[in-house]
Amino acid sequence: QQKVQQSPESLIVPEGGMASLNCTSSDRNVDYFWWYRQHSGKSPKMLMSIFSNGEKEEGRFTVHLNKASLHTSLHIRDSQPSDSALYLCAAAGYGSSGNKLIFGIGTLLSVKP
Amino acid sequence: EAAVTQSPRNKVTVTGGNVTLSCRQTNSHNYMYWYRQDTGHGLRLIHYSYGAGNLQIGDVPDGYKATRTTQEDFFLLLELASPSQTSLYFCASSRQGDTEVFFGKGTRLTVV
Repeated sequence: QQKVQQSPESLIVPEGGMASLNCTSSDRNVDYFWWYRQHSGKSPKMLMSIFSNGEKEEGRFTVHLNKASLHTSLHIRDSQPSDSALYLCAAAGYGSSGNKLIFGIGTLLSVKP
Repeated sequence: EAAVTQSPRNKVTVTGGNVTLSCRQTNSHNYMYWYRQDTGHGLRLIHYSYGAGNLQIGDVPDGYKATRTTQEDFFLLLELASPSQTSLYFCASSRQGDTEVFFGKGTRLTVV
């Protein structure tokens, strides 16, 4: 079973709409989360990180984290066709495993003009 | 932006063959990683290292060896390649374990 579960598997939103992506870790040793974005045929690139409970906003992107439930969500407002990509959630902890980053399978976002 | 260079970009080998994938980073990063990406499985960690001569086992290490010869260079070795190792392989690096990870462009390996 995946230690990092993402939902939905795929998502279609209209241009200008809001996209909401979810991610939960089943590993209680997780301390922080990252969101990466991977356009088709490209390598993943970091979008946002969140280490503390609460919310973090960068432009059109907002990330929430609830450490008690090990749940994070990514919200993209005013979605653009260029946001169409695979969104990967990753989790890691400060334990003896040396901060290894574990990725979920991803959410495939398609923004339709 | 941090540079991670993988070679080769594409490789075809036969079952039972030897393959070495190379990765070099020029960012003075301490951590380097090898991932494989497969449909339905996402990115899975094979091996990683936090310095020259160091090696840590990832989540899917079977059939793979890795070696970190210098701060810059990290190699992935498949000594008896099997069709199940057909995949897209990414090398990545980060300054520390909890800082941004930068990915190379990937190596597509096909084992026939």
